Amino acid sequence: GQQLNQSPQSMFIQEGEDVSMNCTSSSIFNTWLWYKQDPGEGPVLLIALYKAGELTSNGRLTAQFGITRKDSFLNISASIPSDVGIYFCAGRRNYQLIWGAGTKLIIKP
Amino acid sequence: DTGVSQNPRHKITKRGQNVTFRCDPISEHNRLYWYRQTLGQGPEFLTYFQNEAQLEKSRLLSDRFSAERPKGSFSTLEIQRTEQGDSAMYLCASSFGSGKNTEAFFGQGTRLTVV
Repeated sequence: GQQLNQSPQSMFIQEGEDVSMNCTSSSIFNTWLWYKQDPGEGPVLLIALYKAGELTSNGRLTAQFGITRKDSFLNISASIPSDVGIYFCAGRRNYQLIWGAGTKLIIKP
Repeated sequence: DTGVSQNPRHKITKRGQNVTFRCDPISEHNRLYWYRQTLGQGPEFLTYFQNEAQLEKSRLLSDRFSAERPKGSFSTLEIQRTEQGDSAMYLCASSFGSGKNTEAFFGQGTRLTVV
């Protein structure tokens, strides 16, 4: 099925580093969402974006809704061990969410 | 626990058997969704209920799949004559209304393994 283009696929980072990931689509969305999923669990909503150009923060997380409505990025500042997991972007089209394939965040030992 | 509850958490079944999963949404949430997620991928939409009415079904939902929400509360997803390709995490989510600040909450999922 249709999926968004999410990159990078995975990231190895040192604790304390900033992280950036993004998501693009060939079509427009009116809502962009960012989720985090831990192994064996369901996705948990981190940030929701409803307006083109909107920049929203949730603690150390900041996300932006691209002005073209075809992209979004998520930044994590000063990463900590509990940030490991898979981050997904999703665009909402009516009641249906279209998802990226995820960015796996791994903390270097 | 007032979140979305899914049972069972794990199911191993032999090919050809029927399986049924249950989802209990957050109380008073009128919208319920089923998604399927395979390893290394994001979830894919399967079906959507508003109250007891099933309003949309994905083409991914073959004739072997059926979902119900008889009283507009809990929902069941049944897979008949399971195939190995059905092995996946089945996620349920619920929400109230639509639009801003009404995003769906997901359950922990049911992991199906068909052997």
